[in-house]
Amino acid sequence: AQTVTQSQPEMSVQEAETVTLSCTYDTSESNYYLFWYKQPPSRQMILVIRQEAYKQQNATENRFSVNFQKAAKSFSLKISDSQLGDTAMYFCASGPSGGGADGLTFGKGTHLIIQP
Amino acid sequence: EAGVAQSPRYKIIEKRQSVAFWCNPISGHATLYWYQQILGQGPKLLIQFQNNGVVDDSQLPKDRFSAERLKGVDSTLKIQPAKLEDSAVYLCASSLDHRFYDNEQFFGPGTRLTVL
Repeated sequence: AQTVTQSQPEMSVQEAETVTLSCTYDTSESNYYLFWYKQPPSRQMILVIRQEAYKQQNATENRFSVNFQKAAKSFSLKISDSQLGDTAMYFCASGPSGGGADGLTFGKGTHLIIQP
Repeated sequence: EAGVAQSPRYKIIEKRQSVAFWCNPISGHATLYWYQQILGQGPKLLIQFQNNGVVDDSQLPKDRFSAERLKGVDSTLKIQPAKLEDSAVYLCASSLDHRFYDNEQFFGPGTRLTVL
């Protein structure tokens, strides 16, 4: 069984600032992935960044990076130089790897608002 | 490359009525997922298909929900009879093949269901 917890229902920062979204998880899987998805008002879920649990190096994608602490089961997302277009719901998710059932378990989300 | 297509985008029905949602995954994607996203929550997996076979339906309320992917391409999710608590966004996602470790799920725009 897997659980994902996002403790920040909403965050607001000024444009160009750096913001960090928190996520903790629990899983019984030995091999798994962690994800951050962005969901704008259009509802389309868009993958922001992905981390393979067996890799120690933190994933980065342009302005987006993660701080993966496996022992603490923590997976935070840092957005640098935030832009107005980053305003959206952000969901942390986990999913098993290994070729079996791999549906994702999502947190409740964090509503991120970038102020001009 | 065309994304995951879903229809309808919106549906309003009375409780105890039936409703069906359609999903066409990205061409060539063998794995298809249906998620339910209740307002204010993250998506929850309902069912996962690999081609025309079910991989995981452990969270599908089988007394009222059914899903099929008869030819291993598009899929239909049905609710019969609908209850008020079924009001949600139903998201379809697809991936190239869930058996590959670096699989990524691509989401459709979702169908918003309102049960009155």
